[in-house]
Amino acid sequence: AQSVAQPEDQVNVAEGNPLTVKCTYSVSGNPYLFWYVQYPNRGLQFLLKYITGDNLVKGSYGFEAEFNKSQTSFHLKKPSALVSDSALYFCAVRQYNFNKFYFGSGTKLNVKP
Amino acid sequence: DVKVTQSSRYLVKRTGEKVFLECVQDMDHENMFWYRQDPGLGLRLIYFSYDVKMKEKGDIPEGYSVSREKKERFSLILESASTNQTSMYLCASSLENQPQHFGDGTRLSIL
Repeated sequence: AQSVAQPEDQVNVAEGNPLTVKCTYSVSGNPYLFWYVQYPNRGLQFLLKYITGDNLVKGSYGFEAEFNKSQTSFHLKKPSALVSDSALYFCAVRQYNFNKFYFGSGTKLNVKP
Repeated sequence: DVKVTQSSRYLVKRTGEKVFLECVQDMDHENMFWYRQDPGLGLRLIYFSYDVKMKEKGDIPEGYSVSREKKERFSLILESASTNQTSMYLCASSLENQPQHFGDGTRLSIL
């Protein structure tokens, strides 16, 4: 069965420090991997995706993610956190050539001044 | 720019009512999706559609149905609303093998 795990409900980090939001997945075949961000009372916004190629993917707002096939992980990172990065982050996976997406339970990122 | 519009941001209905949630996208996307979002559970797929008049059940289709008569519009129907369907409902659309674009959601309360 396909699944996505985000092991941390909440991540706290000080502004200016690096941040990591963790994601591991289980999917048959080659995965398509995505990160989304959700601000209060809004829908999800696309941040970045991994389809193929370089394991380090760069996305919007200075975020990047590292694909690790052996560990089946796709952790979201940012070198220097901003207070405005505080939001709910979702990891998602889909199988190649299947339309169904699987989402993690979300991680709330709190960036303190 | 990409736009997915959900007809209502907030909706209050009574148990037993038939409820319609509407979603329109302006990007000519083949694929459209309905999710519900509950704290601690993430997003759960209710139904999706990959073409006009085509639909597939997601993980939690019970108590829901959908309609896609035109490519740009995907409707979610609660046949007889119950209190356990109180939730945030999110609509999304996508091209094949591309990221999904989401609407701002409908927060539905069933009293």
